[in-house]
Amino acid sequence: QKEVEQDPGPLSVPEGAIVSLNCTYSNSAFQYFMWYRQYSRKGPELLMYTYSSGNKEDGRFTAQVDKSSKYISLFIRDSQPSDSATYLCAMSALTGGYNKLIFGAGTRLAVHP
Amino acid sequence: DGGITQSPKYLFRKEGQNVTLSCEQNLNHDAMYWYRQDPGQGLRLIYYSQIVNDFQKGDIAEGYSVSREKKESFPLTVTSAQKNPTAFYLCASQRTSGNTVLHNEQFFGPGTRLTVL
Repeated sequence: QKEVEQDPGPLSVPEGAIVSLNCTYSNSAFQYFMWYRQYSRKGPELLMYTYSSGNKEDGRFTAQVDKSSKYISLFIRDSQPSDSATYLCAMSALTGGYNKLIFGAGTRLAVHP
Repeated sequence: DGGITQSPKYLFRKEGQNVTLSCEQNLNHDAMYWYRQDPGQGLRLIYYSQIVNDFQKGDIAEGYSVSREKKESFPLTVTSAQKNPTAFYLCASQRTSGNTVLHNEQFFGPGTRLTVL
């Protein structure tokens, strides 16, 4: 079993839809949770960053962490064609001097006009 | 502009050939990383370096080598011992405090797509 599971999609939605992207994980030591967005043939860029449990909102994006269920989500409201990309979840734990980032496989999202 | 650059964007390798991928950053970050990305898989860590002249193997280091002679530069060599090198290679850097990597974002370069002919 992988440490981080993420449905690869693809997920296709109409413009304006609410999108829900999810990851599950098995390591209860994970404390830091991130969502990266990666456009085709580009490097990933950080979208959201959350420590421990709770919600974080930034414009149309909301990140949720439920540590009791080992489940994290990214919600995109009023989705736009420019949101079409692959979304990678990533997480890390406090393990001494180096905190390795574990990535999910990425979910490919297509928002069509 | 501050950032990470990778070159070349596309690279073709013949069987038995070593190739070197360049990664340069001007963010003054101490920590640098190399990842490999294959379709349907997450990023897998090849090597990382927290400080100049020091680096550590990641999860899939076999067939790869690195050097860290300068803070700004972390080149990756894909050797002939790497049996399946066709992939998208990503370099990243991260801010640190002393010997501890902070839980801040990793900044990624644009990537190098390597293809074996």
